[in-house]
Amino acid sequence: EDQVTQSPEALRLQEGESSSLNCSYTVSGLRGLFWYRQDPGKGPEFLFTLYSAGEEKEKERLKATLTKKESFLHITAPKPEDSATYLCAVLSLGDSGNTPLVFGKGTRLSVIA
Amino acid sequence: GAVVSQHPSWVICKSGTSVKIECRSLDFQATTMFWYRQFPKQSLMLMATSNEGSKATYEQGVEKDKFLINHASLTLSTLTVTSAHPEDSSFYICSASTDYEQYFGPGTRLTVT
Repeated sequence: EDQVTQSPEALRLQEGESSSLNCSYTVSGLRGLFWYRQDPGKGPEFLFTLYSAGEEKEKERLKATLTKKESFLHITAPKPEDSATYLCAVLSLGDSGNTPLVFGKGTRLSVIA
Repeated sequence: GAVVSQHPSWVICKSGTSVKIECRSLDFQATTMFWYRQFPKQSLMLMATSNEGSKATYEQGVEKDKFLINHASLTLSTLTVTSAHPEDSSFYICSASTDYEQYFGPGTRLTVT
């Protein structure tokens, strides 16, 4: 059974204090790993898809990396507007676009000015 | 990018009435859409998988006669909460799949009084 574990559950940073969020996964074979951002009272916003180990993607202050067992979401010099819950999800090789993603429970990030 | 809309964004109804929520993919065709519900500060909970032109697949514990899903076209899926009760009050979110990526709608807040 595919599993996704995110850590920490909650993270509090000072503005400008860089850090990383972790997503560990267990799948029989990885088709894709996905990062989303969710603000309170809103649907998740798509950030990145990573397909193979060694792949990296960047968007503004965020950079996502992937190994064979985990993914990291690095946040460089965060700002208060980066405060949100970050969700990680996986899709395994045996699955298609008709298969729901397996989500972790998320990391609640708070960035304090 | 891929955009998914939901309507209404919030709704208040009386106990015993039915409520319909629409989910539309605005700039792509989605053969598969997913319906989730989310309670405050909790993870997304998958309710059902909806494929265009066929019956929805419901997750264990989700009453298919209570949560009616119709996926009539490649851009529209609807969720009808029948005979709603206060315990059905929640945040309902849809997502639409294109290839292997899933994009979420903004969510619908349902309050049953």
